[in-house]
Amino acid sequence: EIVLTQSPGTLSLSPGERATLSCRASQSVSSSYLAWYQQKPGQAPRLLIYGASNRATGIPDRFSGSGSGTDFTLTISRLEPEDFAVYHCQQYGSSPGTFGQGTKVEIK
Amino acid sequence: QVQLAESGGGVVQPGRSLRLSCAASGFTFSGYAMHWVRQAPGKGLEWVAVISNDEINKYYADSVKGRFTISRDNSKNTLYVQMNSLRAEDTAVYYCARGPRGYDSYFDYWGQGSPVTVSS
Repeated sequence: EIVLTQSPGTLSLSPGERATLSCRASQSVSSSYLAWYQQKPGQAPRLLIYGASNRATGIPDRFSGSGSGTDFTLTISRLEPEDFAVYHCQQYGSSPGTFGQGTKVEIK
Repeated sequence: QVQLAESGGGVVQPGRSLRLSCAASGFTFSGYAMHWVRQAPGKGLEWVAVISNDEINKYYADSVKGRFTISRDNSKNTLYVQMNSLRAEDTAVYYCARGPRGYDSYFDYWGQGSPVTVSS
């Protein structure tokens, strides 16, 4: 199965700053079938990005996804207070689908 | 609006069984594959099982194969997972999720989660 490694483990930033999160796959992700989710404490994950770069319904345009092959990035252009959370990547191009271990974005 | 609501979680002894349910509303349930995904305390997400929209095809993670059974009742808009021979490592919050691409899919809607604790 494909192993996803997210970095950094924790990102300490201030509101208004830019966040860049990385997700690296152990082998190429078929057809850029990569998704990103946001999860706040005690809540279910929320879909942000699918197909590496497609924003899900209702997701603000400060969230963007890019990448292909084995290297993918989630960028939050200007952090809002509600963006401080854990972010997970998931590949669904190869069975079984797998998740990364998550990146926590915390307030500096 | 799409809603998924899990129920049935709780504390259970190792080796015992538990059945979780997920009630769906706000969309045509019979048109979508449905998944179970779990999250152990302080850990990442782990895909558990998927069932096709027509109930015919079912696939499982190796970690639960032979112990868990996924099923659905399209007449009741409800998804289930029967969990047998539970182990301590099955302790997690269990989420049901909709898979718009079927088996190999991202998850566009999630339930709020049902916690399961396996402990003596």
